[in-house]
Amino acid sequence: LAKTTQPISMDSYEGQEVNITCSHNNIATNDYITWYQQFPSQGPRFIIQGYKTKVTNEVASLFIPADRKSSTLSLPRVSLSDTAVYYCLVGSGDTGTASKLTFGTGTRLQVTL
Amino acid sequence: GAVVSQHPSWVICKSGTSVKIECRSLDFQATTMFWYRQFPKQSLMLMATSNEGSKATYEQGVEKDKFLINHASLTLSTLTVTSAHPEDSSFYICSARDPGAVRDTEAFFGQGTRLTVV
Repeated sequence: LAKTTQPISMDSYEGQEVNITCSHNNIATNDYITWYQQFPSQGPRFIIQGYKTKVTNEVASLFIPADRKSSTLSLPRVSLSDTAVYYCLVGSGDTGTASKLTFGTGTRLQVTL
Repeated sequence: GAVVSQHPSWVICKSGTSVKIECRSLDFQATTMFWYRQFPKQSLMLMATSNEGSKATYEQGVEKDKFLINHASLTLSTLTVTSAHPEDSSFYICSARDPGAVRDTEAFFGQGTRLTVV
C-alpha cells in the first residue's frame, strides 16, 4: 500500500483558497487518489477522487501531475465549517480485500475569521 | 450515496464486560467491511477486514480473541470488544464499499462508535 505524506496542520482565514498537497511517491499503476474529510467524533466523508490530471466537483478540485507522485486538494473560499482533518489516501480500485485503506496522519485545517 | 450505519453511537461499559458494535450497509450489500480504531488527535488505524461468510483478517498487533468480528450477512458486520479495559476506550469506525455504485472505489464510513470503559 502506497504511503502518503501531508502537512500535519494548516491555518487559513475564511474566504481564502486552501491547497493541501500530499506526496505518494510509490503509488501503483492501478491506485486511485482519494481525499476524505473528518469532523470530530464522526466518520470520514468522501470529498473527491482522481486518477490523473484534474478533477473538480461541487466542493473541491484535485490536481494530479503526470507522474502521479503527489496530488493537491484545493478548497475554494473556505468557511469556518471547513475546519476539519483532511486525509489523502491511495488505494486500489478493487472492492475486495485489497481495497482496505491506510490512513496517514492527515492535515488538520483550522479556518478562522 | 450509499449509507453505512453504526450502532450504538456511544457506549459506556464497566471494565471486564463485553461490548458489541454493529455496522450495517443500509442500501447495498458488502462482502467486505473494514474496522478502524481512532484515538484522540490521531489518525484512523485499520484493525481488521471483515469477510462475509468467512473469518476476519486482522492487522498485525490486533488481538483477534479480544476483538471478535462476525460478518454473518451481506449487510451486517459486528465487532465485539471482549473483556474491555480502559485502554480499549476509543472511537471505532467501520467502512464498506458499494460494488454496484458508479464510483465503486469510494469507501463509505459509519458515523463511529465512542466506547468508554470505566
